[in-house]
Amino acid sequence: EVQLVESGGGLVQPGGSLRLSCAASGFSFSSSGMNWVRQAPGKGLEWVSYINSGSVNIYYADSVKGRFTVSRDNAKNSLWLQMNSLRAEDTAVYYCARLRGGYGYAFDIWGQGTMVTVSS
Amino acid sequence: EIVLTQSPGTLSLSPGERATLSCRASQSVSSSYLAWYQQKPGQAPRLLIYGASSRATGIPDRFSGSGSGTDFSLTISRLEPEDFAVYYCQQYGSSSTWTFGQGTKVEIK
Repeated sequence: EVQLVESGGGLVQPGGSLRLSCAASGFSFSSSGMNWVRQAPGKGLEWVSYINSGSVNIYYADSVKGRFTVSRDNAKNSLWLQMNSLRAEDTAVYYCARLRGGYGYAFDIWGQGTMVTVSS
Repeated sequence: EIVLTQSPGTLSLSPGERATLSCRASQSVSSSYLAWYQQKPGQAPRLLIYGASSRATGIPDRFSGSGSGTDFSLTISRLEPEDFAVYYCQQYGSSSTWTFGQGTKVEIK
């Protein structure tokens, strides 16, 4: 079964750090570009970060640049998002999603999401 | 940065009716990189349309996409009960970033 499973969310104080994980199965993770997308409570979708299959091309939204770091280990079929200097506005459900190159760089597989709450 | 504006914010329709959702870009977008997603409460988004008009695997043919340049649309020919959800357009830009529209909610009238 094709699947992405996020974990690592939780409650963290402003200025704190959190590391999210995304475990992939059922497809060729090592050949896939991957993304993080977030959704604040009651709000729309916001793209956060992209990493290509070989970890060479990495991009971030301006809102997280310099604070978040994306990484992956293809041997472990795993993706991570290290989030530092967290702010209240980072509160959201965080999804990992596969980029499908043949689909015009759309995101065709999504995890169920993990909730991050930044609050004192 | 390209901004995607979706309209209307909410669409109130009955099952069996036709829904037309709009996505307007602040500057020209490559049709190859325009996608539509459906999201139901408590669920992850699901890819419906990529390349502005191609249906993703398993998507019913009542969903269709069209448009070019700055104006794109998603049409649901006859609404089924399971189609009531929020729909987002998305584009991939030359700056290697992705942006989403703010969403259109299709609700039962």
